[in-house]
Amino acid sequence: EDQVTQSPEALRLQEGESSSLNCSYTVSGLRGLFWYRQDPGKGPEFLFTLYSAGEEKEKERLKATLTKKESFLHITAPKPEDSATYLCAVHSTRGTGNQFYFGTGTSLTVIP
Amino acid sequence: DSGVTQTPKHLITATGQRVTLRCSPRSGDLSVYWYQQSLDQGLQFLIQYYNGEERAKGNILERFSAQQFPDLHSELNLSSLELGDSALYFCASSAGTNYEQYFGPGTRLTVT
Repeated sequence: EDQVTQSPEALRLQEGESSSLNCSYTVSGLRGLFWYRQDPGKGPEFLFTLYSAGEEKEKERLKATLTKKESFLHITAPKPEDSATYLCAVHSTRGTGNQFYFGTGTSLTVIP
Repeated sequence: DSGVTQTPKHLITATGQRVTLRCSPRSGDLSVYWYQQSLDQGLQFLIQYYNGEERAKGNILERFSAQQFPDLHSELNLSSLELGDSALYFCASSAGTNYEQYFGPGTRLTVT
């Protein structure tokens, strides 16, 4: 069964304390892996797309990497404004066509 | 602001009723997606339309239906509503199928 699992569920960091969020996936026919940021009561905000193992993308304090079974979102020297829920999603294709699976997210809190 | 608009922002209705949620995609985007987000299940993919045609189906109930009109806006129709249908409903759009999705602010549906 296709699924996406994110860990940890919640993470508290001191400002400046770097860490990584994990997204592991088991899907057939991976077409792309996406990272989103979601603030409470708002829609997810697109961050990155990764298409193949070994690919990396960076944006400010965030860096996303992809292997054949998982993706990491590395946060370097986070600031309080980085506090949010980070969602991982995969686009897969199988017999029934396109499917989009989201993980349940990692809730990040950065303490000043 | 993602450029995706959704109306209404909030909707309160009774069990057994029918409601329609509306979404306007970003200018130029041909794909529209609908998702349901509940507290216990995270984001669940419901359905995708591309340039007016249904392209993919996820975990959409038979009581739910959607369509995309010639001007590319989309509507999600929910009928015979149950208490368990209470959730945030998000619309997203993308340029094509394997591109990043941009989410609207969501419609919060409460069924009483």
